[in-house]
Amino acid sequence: GESVGLHLPTLSVQEGDNSIINCAYSNSASDYFIWYKQESGKGPQFIIDIRSNMDKRQGQRVTVLLNKTVKHLSLQIAATQPGDSAVYFCAEETGGGNKLTFGTGTQLKVEL
Amino acid sequence: SQTIHQWPATLVQPVGSPLSLECTVEGTSNPNLYWYRQAAGRGLQLLFYSVGIGQISSEVPQNLSASRPQDRQFILSSKKLLLSDSGFYLCAWSRGGRTEAFFGQGTRLTVV
Repeated sequence: GESVGLHLPTLSVQEGDNSIINCAYSNSASDYFIWYKQESGKGPQFIIDIRSNMDKRQGQRVTVLLNKTVKHLSLQIAATQPGDSAVYFCAEETGGGNKLTFGTGTQLKVEL
Repeated sequence: SQTIHQWPATLVQPVGSPLSLECTVEGTSNPNLYWYRQAAGRGLQLLFYSVGIGQISSEVPQNLSASRPQDRQFILSSKKLLLSDSGFYLCAWSRGGRTEAFFGQGTRLTVV
């Protein structure tokens, strides 16, 4: 969550391919993680979440993987579509469940 | 259903002028409330969060302050704006305790 001053990295994928967006977190006490999608000029929207007692959770076309050993989180988007183009952020919850901090986002660009 | 209102959507203010951004939540009680700032092309920086009326946790010492005068009202203020205060300000709420946060549509502040 301390990389807010950096330019966002970009991931470019072809339409129909799978996308994998990665996120590293630093606080081993974090026990809840969320992926958000942010379209230009809008607030972030919830995609999927995962608790620390799980290592994988699936939604519609999306899967989140959690590796607590290396403090790594990933978001997999299957059959990426043009509408998936956005900035994706991971967020971790600490502070006894009250503090939500965001990691460095990734700009996903879907090429036709 | 719950809704979050944030206004104004855009704001242009001169350097040295005061600031007041308001956020209100409807349809829930005792929410956690958050203020984030996002510079262009950057990540989300947590500024303040609140778990109850009059309870404010400050994450980044700077030219801003926050107040929660009512259960579902969160206000971001400044006495004298700086050029560096320009950015996209986002308010969010959550139920706390491993639940996702819901964001408002944001206020784009330009200090000139």
